[in-house]
Amino acid sequence: GIQVEQSPPDLILQEGANSTLRCNFSDSVNNLQWFHQNPWGQLINLFYIPSGTKQNGRLSATTVATERYSLLYISSSQTTDSGVYFCAVPPNTGNQFYFGTGTSLTVIP
Amino acid sequence: DSGVTQTPKHLITATGQRVTLRCSPRSGDLSVYWYQQSLDQGLQFLIQYYNGEERAKGNILERFSAQQFPDLHSELNLSSLELGDSALYFCASSVESNGELFFGEGSRLTVL
Repeated sequence: GIQVEQSPPDLILQEGANSTLRCNFSDSVNNLQWFHQNPWGQLINLFYIPSGTKQNGRLSATTVATERYSLLYISSSQTTDSGVYFCAVPPNTGNQFYFGTGTSLTVIP
Repeated sequence: DSGVTQTPKHLITATGQRVTLRCSPRSGDLSVYWYQQSLDQGLQFLIQYYNGEERAKGNILERFSAQQFPDLHSELNLSSLELGDSALYFCASSVESNGELFFGEGSRLTVL
């Protein structure tokens, strides 16, 4: 299956700081998603971004499919951004999504 | 609200017992996925159904089984429960296989 690596594994930020989370994947894909798992365990869709750049408020994401990576940018971080960020990709053939091991983000006031 | 409904939200049971977790996908979604997340772990893929048929199988134990019904809701059955089965079980749905995934809020299972 596809190998999905996320970095950094852990990140602690002061409120208001910016950060970049990275997702590398080992094979070509037609789809990539970013999720935020909040401290209550809910998995929230952030971006569906097979390629290109998308923005949603303080968050944006860029996927460069040809180079097999995606970046998630968080600007002006807030304490509510705390949680674990996962990226997930399905292979071109096959039917399961492969998840990275996540980046655990803690934003301190 | 993702539109994916999972019940129950919390479940506490004893070792050796059997439980059933239920998932209703988003309206129009044909594909249902089940994932297991143990404490401080990532998401482990269990099984996927598409329009009633099994499409992919992951690390699902033989003690676990699932099905998708004609109305597209799905159930995950866990039997002969062990302490290690304590986890958050997520259901997700998508319109098509490998389409955009939407997750339910999960069912938190505690086996004592």
